[in-house]
Amino acid sequence: AQSVTQLGSHVSVSEGALVLLRCNYSSSVPPYLFWYVQYPNQGLQLLLKYTSAATLVKGINGFEAEFKKSETSFHLTKPSAHMSDAAEYFCAVKGGSYIPTFGRGTSLIVHP
Amino acid sequence: EAGVTQSPTHLIKTRGQQATLRCSPISGHTSVYWYQQALGLGLQFLLWYDEGEERNRGNFPPRFSGRQFPNYSSELNVNALELEDSALYLCASSLIEPERNTEAFFGQGTRLTVV
Repeated sequence: AQSVTQLGSHVSVSEGALVLLRCNYSSSVPPYLFWYVQYPNQGLQLLLKYTSAATLVKGINGFEAEFKKSETSFHLTKPSAHMSDAAEYFCAVKGGSYIPTFGRGTSLIVHP
Repeated sequence: EAGVTQSPTHLIKTRGQQATLRCSPISGHTSVYWYQQALGLGLQFLLWYDEGEERNRGNFPPRFSGRQFPNYSSELNVNALELEDSALYLCASSLIEPERNTEAFFGQGTRLTVV
């Protein structure tokens, strides 16, 4: 079985502040983990993925995520938020399945 | 290279009618996934097709069905539409590798509204 929990349905930050979006996973086998971004009325775009090559993964638009097996976490961070980062962010896991399981999403709000 | 394309972009149906949604995967991808994104519920897995066969389905009633064609395009059919079927329906395609580490590529979605 596999599942994802995203803590916080909404995260609000000021422009220039650190962005931290939390993701915890459950998987019966070593997982593959993904972060996607969704802008209004659009599909999902891949930000980054963890495939066991390195625990710190760098993605597009300045985002990165760190895989921590002991904490079963894969939190997404960005040092400095931009207004254009405002969107919905989804964490997903592939454990023993070919089917990605998604979290409920976190809406990132960026204040000027 | 063309991405995943879905049609139509918007669809308005009356309760009880049938809806058909279409998806063309990225060239070379054999797997197609369908997800329902209702407000506040994230992405709920509907169906997975690979090599023309239904491989798995999520916890949805049988009135949600679909198929995959020889060219790997897919359609999702929703019969006897209910108001709560109103949602964004997302299609994604992927390569299937034994390591399971390939990502899914998403289309723009079909916004289905049931009135």
